Amino acid sequence: QQQVKQSPQSLIVQKGGISIINCAYENTAFDYFPWYQQFPGKGPALLIAIRPDVSEKKEGRFTISFNKSAKQFSLHIMDSQPGDSATYFCAASTAGLQGAQKLVFGQGTRLTINP
Amino acid sequence: DAGVIQSPRHEVTEMGQEVTLRCKPISGHDYLFWYRQTMMRGLELLIYFNNNVPIDDSGMPEDRFSAKMPNASFSTLKIQPSEPRDSAVYFCASSLRRYRTNYGYTFGSGTRLTVV
Repeated sequence: QQQVKQSPQSLIVQKGGISIINCAYENTAFDYFPWYQQFPGKGPALLIAIRPDVSEKKEGRFTISFNKSAKQFSLHIMDSQPGDSATYFCAASTAGLQGAQKLVFGQGTRLTINP
Repeated sequence: DAGVIQSPRHEVTEMGQEVTLRCKPISGHDYLFWYRQTMMRGLELLIYFNNNVPIDDSGMPEDRFSAKMPNASFSTLKIQPSEPRDSAVYFCASSLRRYRTNYGYTFGSGTRLTVV
């Protein structure tokens, strides 16, 4: 119930291409879905997040698509650049009064953008 | 703000020794989280605090691990005695949360622990 499953484990994309990372969850109580970006030697950093009342959120080249009925959400990186090469984590949590935003993370996707 | 500050950045210790990891959260944040990251298990939540009070320590692997938050600006994670399987990167994160509003975590740069 608490798992978030992420795929693929690794992804290689050519510069200028579209990178797509997928996540699926089981717990229908989740109502906050962030994506984190992690560079080597650094902690994860919040990239973009979505709530289930919208099906898509876009910030610059980064878009989250959300499918509530399928319990899936994905990150799309348009016009991928070598600087986007990093590990990406999806996560999920609840915003209820009881308990904090205890984030459950996916296993991560190592993205490499070839120049 | 300088962000979440963790120390040390790297720690190498011998099996059986006590290890203490430190964290200074962002001022004003009311939640603090300790995570462990390994290749095999990814990011695992160990424990989190709300207003300095431990709320959920179900992720702490065993009694060798303990965490404290004596005040709003400082937390420690202690491993005693340490074992080679404790080798990992330990992250501290803090966040600010209000009812039905989530704010993203801010992670520190982590402590890379190696137990030999």
